[in-house]
Amino acid sequence: DVVMTQSPRSLPVNLGQPASISCTSSQSLVYSDGNTYLNWFQQRPGQPPRRLIYKVSNRDSGVPDRFSGSGSGTDFTLKISRVEAEDVGVYYCMQGTHWPPWTFGQGTKVEIK
Amino acid sequence: EVQLVESGGALVQPGGSLRLSCVASGFIFSSYSMNWVRQAPGKGLEWVSYISTSSGTIYYADSVKGRFIISRDNAKKSLHLQMNSLRAEDTAVYYCARYYDILTGSLGDAFDIWGQGTMVAVSS
Repeated sequence: DVVMTQSPRSLPVNLGQPASISCTSSQSLVYSDGNTYLNWFQQRPGQPPRRLIYKVSNRDSGVPDRFSGSGSGTDFTLKISRVEAEDVGVYYCMQGTHWPPWTFGQGTKVEIK
Repeated sequence: EVQLVESGGALVQPGGSLRLSCVASGFIFSSYSMNWVRQAPGKGLEWVSYISTSSGTIYYADSVKGRFIISRDNAKKSLHLQMNSLRAEDTAVYYCARYYDILTGSLGDAFDIWGQGTMVAVSS
């Protein structure tokens, strides 16, 4: 199984400041079709997960452009350019290349300082 | 509006059984493979099970294999999870999540829509 490792586990950020979350996979996430199936999810308190980013860097509809994803192979990053109060929650990376099983990172809790 | 609504969660004793349901609306359910994903209290996300459009391909996480059964009824636009021999460690919110449209979509569309979840508590 592919192990997804996120860091940091907790990320206190001042409003308006940038935030960055790292996700590393135990093996390359490049699929046989040449695409890399790495997703990012946001889970606000008391809410279900919401997909923010798919295929490393593609934002889902309605996702603010302050969110961006990057990376390749086994190393990926989610960046928030300027954190807003509504960004508080837990962020998860998930790989969709080597399945089953589909595997998630442990989560990174973003909070306001 | 594209929507998934889960139901069936409850408090059940260890060793007991429960059947979860997820009803879809706003999209062609029969064209999408589906998944169950769970989240134990205060913990992260864990994929549980997958079912293809025609139920011909089914996968389970090792943690539930032999105890849980996933099924679907395309006519009723519903997904189910029969949970048997429940254990305390099965306590979690269970979410259904859409995979992708096999006719028009791709792997990049997977897990784009999730339900609100239904809570299962296993305790004596």
